[in-house]
Amino acid sequence: DGGITQSPKYLFRKEGQNVTLSCEQNLNHDAMYWYRQDPGQGLRLIYYSQIVNDFQKGDIAEGYSVSREKKESFPLTVTSAQKNPTAFYLCASSKKRGSTEAFFGQGTRLTVV
Amino acid sequence: AQKITQTQPGMFVQEKEAVTLDCTYDTSDQSYGLFWYKQPSSGEMIFLIYQGSYDEQNATEGRYSLNFQKARKSANLVISASQLGDSAMYFCAMREGGGGGSNYKLTFGKGTLLTVNP
Repeated sequence: DGGITQSPKYLFRKEGQNVTLSCEQNLNHDAMYWYRQDPGQGLRLIYYSQIVNDFQKGDIAEGYSVSREKKESFPLTVTSAQKNPTAFYLCASSKKRGSTEAFFGQGTRLTVV
Repeated sequence: AQKITQTQPGMFVQEKEAVTLDCTYDTSDQSYGLFWYKQPSSGEMIFLIYQGSYDEQNATEGRYSLNFQKARKSANLVISASQLGDSAMYFCAMREGGGGGSNYKLTFGKGTLLTVNP
């Protein structure tokens, strides 16, 4: 089945550690997105990418980094510079053109302990 | 400035009645797309309906319809005949960019929590 897979579902991190969240899609989509969701805040865009080896900062990119070395993969690294990383992280992908929706993964819940 | 504004943090509706969830947007692009998503308590994002900026007809998908008023930059979601399973967070989103090579930024509002009462 085609879809978008995020792993792990739950992640615990000690303060001061970097951690990488995985996002893989087999939908042949060009565009991929990372969002952060906090209670009552909706989805805030962290980074997005339209093509391999290219990506743009979203609204809250500080403390995060991404790479897009393959079309199907868009991993997100939460660095120690991110002051408040505990949140629900959602990855999405979409075709670059046309009236098509973005498909979402099941999300990763990150907790700093 | 917010790109997507959802002014209703929470809404209540009686089962079988219709409800309208508000969404206004801000963009200078001529070509853009508007989306509505549903997020149940499980956290998954479920696509409901899409409206393109050049579409003259309001989009409909089953019990969902989008009341698109371009001049007012409004894209309200109407759910008819509400069901208990409609209780969830609802997000309005906009994708900007339409030219070749443009970056398609997808931005969400803060959401509206809909509760359907029996």
